[in-house]
Amino acid sequence: DIQMTQSPSSLSASVGDRVTITCQASQDISNYLNWYQQKPGKAPKLLIYDASNLETGVPSRFSGSGSGTDFTFTISSLQPEDIATYYCQQYDNLVTFGPGTKVDIK
Amino acid sequence: EVQLVESGGGLVQPGRSLRLSCAASGFTFDDYAMHWVRQAPGKGLEWVSGISWNSGSIGYADSVKGRFTISRDNAKNSLYLQMNSLRAEDTALYYCAKGATLISGSYYGAIDYWGQGTLVTVSS
Repeated sequence: DIQMTQSPSSLSASVGDRVTITCQASQDISNYLNWYQQKPGKAPKLLIYDASNLETGVPSRFSGSGSGTDFTFTISSLQPEDIATYYCQQYDNLVTFGPGTKVDIK
Repeated sequence: EVQLVESGGGLVQPGRSLRLSCAASGFTFDDYAMHWVRQAPGKGLEWVSGISWNSGSIGYADSVKGRFTISRDNAKNSLYLQMNSLRAEDTALYYCAKGATLISGSYYGAIDYWGQGTLVTVSS
């Protein structure tokens, strides 16, 4: 089974800061990696698919990169409405979510 | 507008069974894979199971394999999850979710729409 790790598990940043989250797969998953945002009490929302493609309607301050085992998710300028938990998800072999990264405003 | 409405959750004793349903609307149901994803209280997302558009490809997480069965009825625009031999650790909010890829041969891929979930509590 493919295991996913994320770091950090939580972070606090100021409005306008650049925020970076990393996701690592236990084996090569090519670019079969998606990123989701989940706000408290809400269902998750797809932000990035296939490692680097922005889902329609998602603000351009969100971006993703990487391939193989190492991936990065970036918010270029953190906004108050970005407070949420972010999850990576692989689909190279079955489907697995990462443990999540909780993002707060400092 | 895509809508996914789950039902069938509730309180059930360990070892018993429960069947979840998901009514889909707002898209051509038989063109897309579907998934069940769960979230235990205060915890992260856990993929449970996925099924391709024609039920030809089905997968399960190791934690539920052999106990849960996913199925779909394209004529009724409905997705199901039969859960047997339930355990306390199956307690979670269960989301019905739509795959993003049009007529893919498998259930693999991104998930672009989610329901609001149905709560399953396994306790004596």
